[in-house]
Amino acid sequence: GENVEQHPSTLSVQEGDSAVIKCTYSDSASNYFPWYKQELGKRPQLIIDIRSNVGEKKDQRIAVTLNKTAKHFSLHITETQPEDSAVYFCAARGEYGNKLVFGAGTILRVKS
Amino acid sequence: DVKVTQSSRYLVKRTGEKVFLECVQDMDHENMFWYRQDPGLGLRLIYFSYDVKMKEKGDIPEGYSVSREKKERFSLILESASTNQTSMYLCASSLKGELFFGEGSRLTVL
Repeated sequence: GENVEQHPSTLSVQEGDSAVIKCTYSDSASNYFPWYKQELGKRPQLIIDIRSNVGEKKDQRIAVTLNKTAKHFSLHITETQPEDSAVYFCAARGEYGNKLVFGAGTILRVKS
Repeated sequence: DVKVTQSSRYLVKRTGEKVFLECVQDMDHENMFWYRQDPGLGLRLIYFSYDVKMKEKGDIPEGYSVSREKKERFSLILESASTNQTSMYLCASSLKGELFFGEGSRLTVL
């Protein structure tokens, strides 16, 4: 089955700097890669996703890149703000599957 | 807005007790999921259901069962709770890929 590895487990950045979180997946048939943000004490929420027919997707300060050959995808946050502090989860799903497999999560701390 | 409601935010149970965690969604979603969240392990899928009375095992189904008698309700059952089932349990529903999560149920088994 699918296995998703996520790095780093914790990341501290200064406000205004960029943050990058990386994930690798094992199943070459996976074709959907979302990112979820979970603020302290709250539920995870989708912030951006990418499908395998696209190499990059942007939404304001966040972007996701996908390298299908290397089987890895990354989340990029520019001009970080204190409200970006949260746990971020990457995930992957196969073409015919219903289930998402999540990475272990990254705790992002933005210091002001 | 999609609303996924979990009946209990916090539960404390004793080893061997039977535990029911209830989840209701109000958007007529076909798919519903139960995840377990533990620090450093991310979100691990216990069971999911893609239709009424249908269920499929996820990655860690041992010690759990589920019930989906109505489309809007998906229940997670711990037949005999054990201390290693102390965790945060998250229910989710989805229509076209995006998962909508409930607030979570934090279960402590003593």
